[in-house]
Amino acid sequence: EIVLTQSPGTLSLSPGERATLSCRASQSVSGTYLAWYQQKVGQAPRLLIHGASNRATGIPDRFSGSGSGTDFTLTITRLEPEDFAVYYCQQYGSSPLTFGGGTKLEIK
Amino acid sequence: EVQLVESGGGLVQPGGSLRLSCVASAFSFSNYGLVWVRQAPGKGLEWVSTISGSGFTTYYADSVKGRFTVSRDNSKNTLYLQMNSLRAEDTALYYCAKEGAYGHRYFDSWGQGTLVTVSS
Repeated sequence: EIVLTQSPGTLSLSPGERATLSCRASQSVSGTYLAWYQQKVGQAPRLLIHGASNRATGIPDRFSGSGSGTDFTLTITRLEPEDFAVYYCQQYGSSPLTFGGGTKLEIK
Repeated sequence: EVQLVESGGGLVQPGGSLRLSCVASAFSFSNYGLVWVRQAPGKGLEWVSTISGSGFTTYYADSVKGRFTVSRDNSKNTLYLQMNSLRAEDTALYYCAKEGAYGHRYFDSWGQGTLVTVSS
């Protein structure tokens, strides 16, 4: 099973700043099959990125993903108030499908 | 717009059973794999089960294997999760979600979830 470790656990930033979230895998993720989700309080997760760097439909271009192998990054440039939420990474290159533990992005 | 609406959650005693349903609309249902993902209160996301578009192939997390059964009725655009021998640790919000294009197993649409509470 691939274990995904997200860091930091909590990130405190101000609107307008840049956020960098990390997702590290215990072994190489096949085919860069890595996705990122955003979850706001009381809501279902929303797909942001798939294939490590492909934005999902309707996702603003301030969200970008990068990485391969075991190290992946979600970057949010110019944080908007609505971006403060919990972010999860998920690998889908091998079974079982696994999620990281999440990074909470909070307003400083 | 894709819609997924779960139902069937509730309070059940340990050892009991429950069947969850998820009704889908606005996409070609039988062409997509579907999954159940759960989230315990205050915790992260955990993949539970996947079923292929045809329904012929299923996968389960080790934590539920042998106790949960996923199925689908493509004539009714409905996904199911039969949960038996429920344990306290199965308490969670259960989401159904749709897999991405070309069989890629990320989840591009999610329901709002149905809450399962296992307690005496």
